[in-house]
Amino acid sequence: EPEVTQTPSHQVTQMGQEVILRCVPISNHLYFYWYRQILGQKVEFLVSFYNNEISEKSEIFDDQFSVERPDGSNFTLKIRSTKLEDSAMYFCASSEDAEQYFGPGTRLTVT
Amino acid sequence: GENVEQHPSTLSVQEGDSAVIKCTYSDSASNYFPWYKQELGKRPQLIIDIRSNVGEKKDQRIAVTLNKTAKHFSLHITETQPEDSAVYFCAASRAHDMRFGAGTRLTVKP
Repeated sequence: EPEVTQTPSHQVTQMGQEVILRCVPISNHLYFYWYRQILGQKVEFLVSFYNNEISEKSEIFDDQFSVERPDGSNFTLKIRSTKLEDSAMYFCASSEDAEQYFGPGTRLTVT
Repeated sequence: GENVEQHPSTLSVQEGDSAVIKCTYSDSASNYFPWYKQELGKRPQLIIDIRSNVGEKKDQRIAVTLNKTAKHFSLHITETQPEDSAVYFCAASRAHDMRFGAGTRLTVKP
């Protein structure tokens, strides 16, 4: 059964650095998403992406964040100038319509 | 924006008993209500969902009910087993901006 994949599984970066988190959505899916989960807390919506543009974004998704689909398979989340509070698990998800399937996540640690 | 409240935050039941988790939402335009199960260190996994044109849906030991008028929906797990132990999240969505509840940690004691 096809699954969403994400790389890397764990990323450690220094405060102020830029990071790019990568995702490969399920191949026939049209909608792509990024979520954040701080340890022990709920899953928080960041952004949804459809037809090569952002369709929805939350109040968390400010100018520090950007998303891109650089080719036919990858979907990336870039975080500019990381802060300590960006430390979290970042999940990518994809859907054909409403049912969203999550990737395994990238644990981002900002030191 | 949408706000989803989930109760209880923790739930402990004996194996074989039923478990019920309840959620309320604020945006009357929300029309899709999934439930996810998340085991420690793993991804959220979709276990059941319901759309706003349906009042109830069942899949084996799991059922979900939706009351659109009251803006609340519930997850029911019958004949619980130790492997049901996990954190369960409800969510609500009107387009593609899904908002999650705070989660319920379910423990099933053998």
